[in-house]
Amino acid sequence: QKEVEQNSGPLSVPEGAIASLNCTYSDRGSQSFFWYRQYSGKSPELIMFIYSNGDKEDGRFTAQLNKASQYVSLLIRDSQPSDSATYLCAVNLSRSNDYKLSFGAGTTVTVRA
Amino acid sequence: EAQVTQNPRYLITVTGKKLTVTCSQNMNHEYMSWYRQDPGLGLRQIYYSMNVEVTDKGDVPEGYKVSRKEKRNFPLILESPSPNQTSLYFCASSLRDSNQPQHFGDGTRLSIL
Repeated sequence: QKEVEQNSGPLSVPEGAIASLNCTYSDRGSQSFFWYRQYSGKSPELIMFIYSNGDKEDGRFTAQLNKASQYVSLLIRDSQPSDSATYLCAVNLSRSNDYKLSFGAGTTVTVRA
Repeated sequence: EAQVTQNPRYLITVTGKKLTVTCSQNMNHEYMSWYRQDPGLGLRQIYYSMNVEVTDKGDVPEGYKVSRKEKRNFPLILESPSPNQTSLYFCASSLRDSNQPQHFGDGTRLSIL
């Protein structure tokens, strides 16, 4: 089982719609969760991070964390063509004295104008 | 400007010829790490460093070496590169450890012939 898994995608949504991205993780003790956006040929850039159960909103982005079910999601409201990118979920593994960061394979989102 | 700088950005070389990819950050970050990105596999952590002279293996350390002699620098060394190390490499840093957001460099595309 992979440590972090994401919807395989690609995900195509019309402009103005909500894009919903999901990520599950295997390490029940994981504490820190991140969403990065990566445009083709570019480096990942941070979109959101979340540490506690519940929702966290930043502009058009909402991260949702459910530690009991071991998933974290990202909602993009009012999707714009500029949101077309690959979204990477990252999870900090919780093992003692181990500060690895594990990424999912990414979900590619295309916003249709 | 706060940044992570990698060099070179592109390199084509041959099997067995030792190479070093440099990484430098100007944010006084303690945590630095190296990732490789391959199609369909997402980002995989190679090595990370919690501080000067403290390094640890990530998920795919075979064939790589690192050193952390100064806080700002974290070079990635391929002693005897092989074609399966052809990949896109990213260096990243964060303030303290993997619980904080990572700041990524622009990437280095390596081709080993």
